[in-house]
Amino acid sequence: AQSVTQLDSQVPVFEEAPVELRCNYSSSVSVYLFWYVQYPNQGLQLLLKYLSGSTLVKGINGFEAEFNKSQTSFHLRKPSVHISDTAEYFCAVSAPMEYGNKLVFGAGTILRVKS
Amino acid sequence: ETGVTQTPRHLVMGMTNKKSLKCEQHLGHNAMYWYKQSAKKPLELMFVYSLEERVENNSVPSRFSPECPNSSHLFLHLHTLQPEDSALYLCASSQIGLADNEQFFGPGTRLTVL
Repeated sequence: AQSVTQLDSQVPVFEEAPVELRCNYSSSVSVYLFWYVQYPNQGLQLLLKYLSGSTLVKGINGFEAEFNKSQTSFHLRKPSVHISDTAEYFCAVSAPMEYGNKLVFGAGTILRVKS
Repeated sequence: ETGVTQTPRHLVMGMTNKKSLKCEQHLGHNAMYWYKQSAKKPLELMFVYSLEERVENNSVPSRFSPECPNSSHLFLHLHTLQPEDSALYLCASSQIGLADNEQFFGPGTRLTVL
């Protein structure tokens, strides 16, 4: 079985500053990794995903994440945040060939961007 | 309509009411999911349907009853709910068989049980 730990429940940051949202996972098999974003009163939207290959994954809205197998981490980064990035961010893990394509989500990290 | 749609977006119901949540996916996927999102708690997977058959039911109380009449539609029938069932209910869809487990989410139904 897989599990995900998002190390920070809230991350406050000033506009135009860099940000890193941390995610660690646990799995006995190889994994697919995802970051989703949820804006207030909306569903989840995919930011980026790692399936295989290059460990640096680029996503939408200037976000990127790096897969580190030895540290079992998949941290999300953005070099310069905007007010509009204020949202909740979820890291998720899934096992290839998992029947039903089931995802296991972390508890979420609320990113608050201040002016 | 594109993606995954959910209706209604907001629902207030009493504990003795019966109501249904509807989800429709326009992506041609063959799997659909119901999640419950409560404040301060991780997303809880409630039900998974693959090829219109229920493949997972994560110990959800019987007052929640899912229905998947075809690969595009998913319902969640609600009856005699409790105040602690108030939450955002999210529907998602996915294509089983691809080398990718991505799920696509709807906007959710905000349910309040009085």
